[in-house]
Amino acid sequence: EAGVTQFPSHSVIEKGQTVTLRCDPISGHDNLYWYRRVMGKEIKFLLHFVKESKQDESGMPNNRFLAERTGGTYSTLKVQPAELEDSGVYFCASSQDRWETQYFGPGTRLLVL
Amino acid sequence: AQTVTQSQPEMSVQEAETVTLSCTYDTSESDYYLFWYKQPPSRQMILVIRQEAYKQQNATENRFSVNFQKAAKSFSLKISDSQLGDAAMYFCAYRLNFGNEKLTFGTGTRLTIIP
Repeated sequence: EAGVTQFPSHSVIEKGQTVTLRCDPISGHDNLYWYRRVMGKEIKFLLHFVKESKQDESGMPNNRFLAERTGGTYSTLKVQPAELEDSGVYFCASSQDRWETQYFGPGTRLLVL
Repeated sequence: AQTVTQSQPEMSVQEAETVTLSCTYDTSESDYYLFWYKQPPSRQMILVIRQEAYKQQNATENRFSVNFQKAAKSFSLKISDSQLGDAAMYFCAYRLNFGNEKLTFGTGTRLTIIP
């Protein structure tokens, strides 16, 4: 069974540009989470989807971040326009049920110059 | 708000020896889970072990075990017979068992294994 996959693995963009991160959860997992780790700090929750619906988006830093999960399968996280402080590693995780273990992807390392 | 603290940014251990990684947390809740996740270099984060707060018995998974002290809000991870493949970033995490299921993480401990 394939695990959670994320694309791209790395992205380097200039301030003001747009970047879209993609996450493919484990097949059959209704719950999808986005987290972010800024260099040297803790991993912080961004938002949670149940199928295609946003269950909790309390961790989204501002309206430059837009997450979607059309059709309840893969999810995208778009940052527009990117700022320097958006640099970090963006993790995606999925779980079958809400209280089950969350399985993480390898992360996307984003660097905004 | 719940917080998780890992006070050791880096640790190292000789291969085959035992190492303990520290984690403390702060919560006013009584029903929650605690986790240790491991992220090897350039690889994805995997769950090492988890502990349910209402269980007094410490969780173990092969060479990995925890020392869960609920009153002290402490959740340390012991790795016995350390192997080169244990080198990774280790994250301690907390999650409520009701309401909001988001994970709250510590800042991580980078573990180096010395051959």
